Amino acid sequence: AQKITQTQPGMFVQEKEAVTLDCTYDTSDQSYGLFWYKQPSSGEMIFLIYQGSYDEQNATEGRYSLNFQKARKSANLVISASQLGDSAMYFCAMREEGRDDKIIFGKGTRLHILP
Amino acid sequence: DADVTQTPRNRITKTGKRIMLECSQTKGHDRMYWYRQDPGLGLRLIYYSFDVKDINKGEISDGYSVSRQAQAKFSLSLESAIPNQTALYFCATSDFGQSLGDTQYFGPGTRLTVL
Repeated sequence: AQKITQTQPGMFVQEKEAVTLDCTYDTSDQSYGLFWYKQPSSGEMIFLIYQGSYDEQNATEGRYSLNFQKARKSANLVISASQLGDSAMYFCAMREEGRDDKIIFGKGTRLHILP
Repeated sequence: DADVTQTPRNRITKTGKRIMLECSQTKGHDRMYWYRQDPGLGLRLIYYSFDVKDINKGEISDGYSVSRQAQAKFSLSLESAIPNQTALYFCATSDFGQSLGDTQYFGPGTRLTVL
């Protein structure tokens, strides 16, 4: 079974609209961390935001926020006021404490921002 | 200067050739990782190393070997390259151990094509 599921292979969004990228995860651990990374067309992996399983508030970083719903095992990325530069591949990832600290990645969602 | 560097950035080779991809980091991290990225499959872990004497297989280690020459250097070798090893390869480092939120820092990637 997949540990990280991103159900949207691709999305098209109008510039300035808000975007929600879906991510669900599977773990039996109580302690884990969730990450989102951005990969623009240039190829590099850019860390965006982190949410810990014990964090009571949703993480925010500028225009990025993470909608964390623990009971549903959901960690959606929300981008407010999208910009053309947000066009990229986005990966959700999880780190389970004690599992050799590996980060497991989803298959990604390609986001296209339309002018 | 970049904290995590990879050489070469692009490589085209022929089936059966031995290839080495190199990774160097100046972040002082103990943990280093090699991933491959294929379209639609996200990032998959090939090997990881927690220190010079601790090397572990990831989920797709067959056909690959690694060498941790020093804390700062981690090389990935394809002993006899085959076309389905054509992919984008990433090296990453981390300073895990302090917090689940410690992220991985990625190199720029090496695009390998095996003909």
